[in-house]
Amino acid sequence: EVQLVQSGAEVKKPGESLKISCKGAGYSFTSYWIGWVRQMPGKGLEWMGIIYPSDSDTRYSPSFQGQVTISADKSISTAYLQWSSLKASDTAMYYCARPQAGVTSSFDYWGQGTLVTVSS
Amino acid sequence: QSVLTQPPSVSGAPGQRVTISCTGSSSNIGAGYDVHWYQQLPGTAPKLLIYDTINRPSGVPDRFSGSKSGTSASLAITGLQAEDEADYYCQSYDSSLRGVFGTGTKVTVL
Repeated sequence: EVQLVQSGAEVKKPGESLKISCKGAGYSFTSYWIGWVRQMPGKGLEWMGIIYPSDSDTRYSPSFQGQVTISADKSISTAYLQWSSLKASDTAMYYCARPQAGVTSSFDYWGQGTLVTVSS
Repeated sequence: QSVLTQPPSVSGAPGQRVTISCTGSSSNIGAGYDVHWYQQLPGTAPKLLIYDTINRPSGVPDRFSGSKSGTSASLAITGLQAEDEADYYCQSYDSSLRGVFGTGTKVTVL
């Protein structure tokens, strides 16, 4: 059974760094892209970026380029989303999701979400 | 950045048919990229509803159907049921192969 298991909720202060994770199981981790999706409180879904763990080919939405870093460690089947300096506006639920096949295919599997709260 | 525009809300009585539009541009839907649809119930992760514009994953009722024309796509729900009350999002890609979600539509069952 395919599963994407995300790390737990985080509460951070503005300016702090953070790295959240998404562990894939039940499939060949290096054969599928992994994407990240943001959902701010009460708002819609936003496509942040996507990574191919096999070669770390990474594509970012222009809105998130330079704001976050997406990475992956294929040895432990885990993808990451990280911030070097959090802002209050980074408060959101973050989902990882796996496309069915190629980079433009639908996200057929989703993680449970990681809630990030940034507050002083 | 590409934007896919959806109506903020649609509503219908049980048993009725509702449609949700997803309007893009020549750089995404109009460029031939497939459209995918997701359903999000309150407090849960999105669930794939329609993929590659017209296909339903196993387990999705055939009350849900998708279509595309030009720079727009649509999701239709026939025989609306109380359990269909949720937020719905379309998704596509642009010519730089970056993804984009629609603005989201809340479906209310009257």
